[in-house]
Amino acid sequence: QKEVEQNSGPLSVPEGAIASLNCTYSDRGSQSFFWYRQYSGKSPELIMSIYSNGDKEDGRFTAQLNKASQYVSLLIRDSQPSDSATYLCAAVPVGANNLFFGTGTRLTVIP
Amino acid sequence: DTGVSQNPRHKITKRGQNVTFRCDPISEHNRLYWYRQTLGQGPEFLTYFQNEAQLEKSRLLSDRFSAERPKGSFSTLEIQRTEQGDSAMYLCASSQDRRSGNTIYFGEGSWLTVV
Repeated sequence: QKEVEQNSGPLSVPEGAIASLNCTYSDRGSQSFFWYRQYSGKSPELIMSIYSNGDKEDGRFTAQLNKASQYVSLLIRDSQPSDSATYLCAAVPVGANNLFFGTGTRLTVIP
Repeated sequence: DTGVSQNPRHKITKRGQNVTFRCDPISEHNRLYWYRQTLGQGPEFLTYFQNEAQLEKSRLLSDRFSAERPKGSFSTLEIQRTEQGDSAMYLCASSQDRRSGNTIYFGEGSWLTVV
């Protein structure tokens, strides 16, 4: 079982809609979770980090963490074509010093 | 602060040759990581330094791979006797050890093509 699992998509949403990206993790003791955006041919760029249960909002982005269900999600409101990218979920398992990544979900926002 | 810097950005090499990548982390970041990413996959952890000490190495890091971080500043990743399967993007990242969390920032990556 992989440490972090994501639906690889692709996910397509119309411009202005809400995009919902989901991620599950296997290590119940994981404490730190991150969402990265990666444009084709580029390196991952940090969007948000979340450490506590509940929601964390930053502009059009909201990260949600549910530790009981071992579930992390990212909502993108008012999706723009420039949001089209692969979104990587990452977690730091207990005792680890590095990130474990999912395979990423490819998002396409259709104008 | 210019972020994590990697070079070369692109390297094409013949199978069997050695290659070396360099990473300059964000200044004052004491942690430095190397990851490898292939098409359609998320980054895979290779190794991690805290200051100059290499504290963790993945099983992915075969004997042909070696990484150093002399003086706890820049780091190098050397691949000896390259194989076609080594073709990937090699990502360096850094972070500052904080009680509030350990956010990891990536460089732009170094693309390796082994022909």
